[in-house]
Amino acid sequence: KNEVEQSPQNLTAQEGEFITINCSYSVGISALHWLQQHPGGGIVSLFMLSSGKKKHGRLIATINIQEKHSSLHITASHPRDSAVYICAVSWGKLQFGAGTQVVVTP
Amino acid sequence: EAQVTQNPRYLITVTGKKLTVTCSQNMNHEYMSWYRQDPGLGLRQIYYSMNVEVTDKGDVPEGYKVSRKEKRNFPLILESPSPNQTSLYFCASSLRAGGRSEQFFGPGTRLTVL
Repeated sequence: KNEVEQSPQNLTAQEGEFITINCSYSVGISALHWLQQHPGGGIVSLFMLSSGKKKHGRLIATINIQEKHSSLHITASHPRDSAVYICAVSWGKLQFGAGTQVVVTP
Repeated sequence: EAQVTQNPRYLITVTGKKLTVTCSQNMNHEYMSWYRQDPGLGLRQIYYSMNVEVTDKGDVPEGYKVSRKEKRNFPLILESPSPNQTSLYFCASSLRAGGRSEQFFGPGTRLTVL
């Protein structure tokens, strides 16, 4: 059983829509990462957070440590946001969720 | 520019033919890892290194070797590749171990073992 669960597995949105991806975990963690993997395969770090909320451009990440839950929001989505978004938790080691495939259509 | 490089990016080989995938980082990070990514399974750690000459097994180390002779380099060695090692491989580095700092990933190496 994976200690990190992401939902949904797949998501299709129209350009301009607000997107939310969820990540739930079952262990005590020191940090949570949101990563982005584009169709070409490369992985980039979007956020690392241990409490509260972080914002970068149109992306917002939140975490609720008590509820063991994090969300990644994309405001005013654009086709270039199409990617796989991966949640990873740090609990002595880094454990990854299976990812959420996001497709944004024009 | 801070980066992690991997080579080759694509490799098709045959069962049993030894191969090495190189990984190099220019950020003076002590911690480096190798992961494999398979559909539906997410990223799984193969080996990691806390510093020069300090390496340890991750979750799926069977069939792989690593070495860390210099801080910047962390090659992944498949002594006798088998078809179940067909996968997408990523090298990563970070300032701190255990996911306690930002992760930097290489571009990935797509390996096919026939």
